[in-house]
Amino acid sequence: AQTVTQSQPEMSVQEAETVTLSCTYDTSESDYYLFWYKQPPSRQMILVIRQEAYKQQNATENRFSVNFQKAAKSFSLKISDSQLGDAAMYFCAYRSYYGGATNKLIFGTGTLLAVQP
Amino acid sequence: DTEVTQTPKHLVMGMTNKKSLKCEQHMGHRAMYWYKQKAKKPPELMFVYSYEKLSINESVPSRFSPECPNSSLLNLHLHALQPEDSALYLCASSQDKRGRVVGYTFGSGTRLTVV
Repeated sequence: AQTVTQSQPEMSVQEAETVTLSCTYDTSESDYYLFWYKQPPSRQMILVIRQEAYKQQNATENRFSVNFQKAAKSFSLKISDSQLGDAAMYFCAYRSYYGGATNKLIFGTGTLLAVQP
Repeated sequence: DTEVTQTPKHLVMGMTNKKSLKCEQHMGHRAMYWYKQKAKKPPELMFVYSYEKLSINESVPSRFSPECPNSSLLNLHLHALQPEDSALYLCASSQDKRGRVVGYTFGSGTRLTVV
């Protein structure tokens, strides 16, 4: 069975600085998706970034980028130029590439990010 | 329309009440999901509907009863709940292209309190 581990329960960053959130996972599959979701106090789970395992290039979305190391099974999220609105719980998630809706989205335990002004 | 809409946003119910949570999407997604989330924990999958058929029930107690009347709507009927069922209930939907799920969209949830 696949597992996702986030070893940092809480992180803090100064506004305008850069922070990296860690995520490791365990799987025997070669094709899968990895996601970072943000959940602010408003509660909605918002997709930050997605990476397909077959793509070697690291995904980037504006200030958010990932460092995907497939062999090491590592998928860290870097937030550059942190803003107050980045404060939220961040979840790393894994999903098999195949299998349709019956394959589950597997979440890590989350990292609570605080942004200091 | 790229949203998943959940109603109500907040619900307080007694242990003998019957209530329903509603979820709606108009993105043409054919997979819809119910998750339960406790504070500062990841969401836990409860049910999955694929093409309006229940495909996963994660051993959820029968006091939770899902229903998918059509491809845009998902309901969760609640009856005789316990205080420990108090949580945030999230609905999500996803495309399902030839057996491959491409992206999930989550609603903002219903905060349920059982008294």
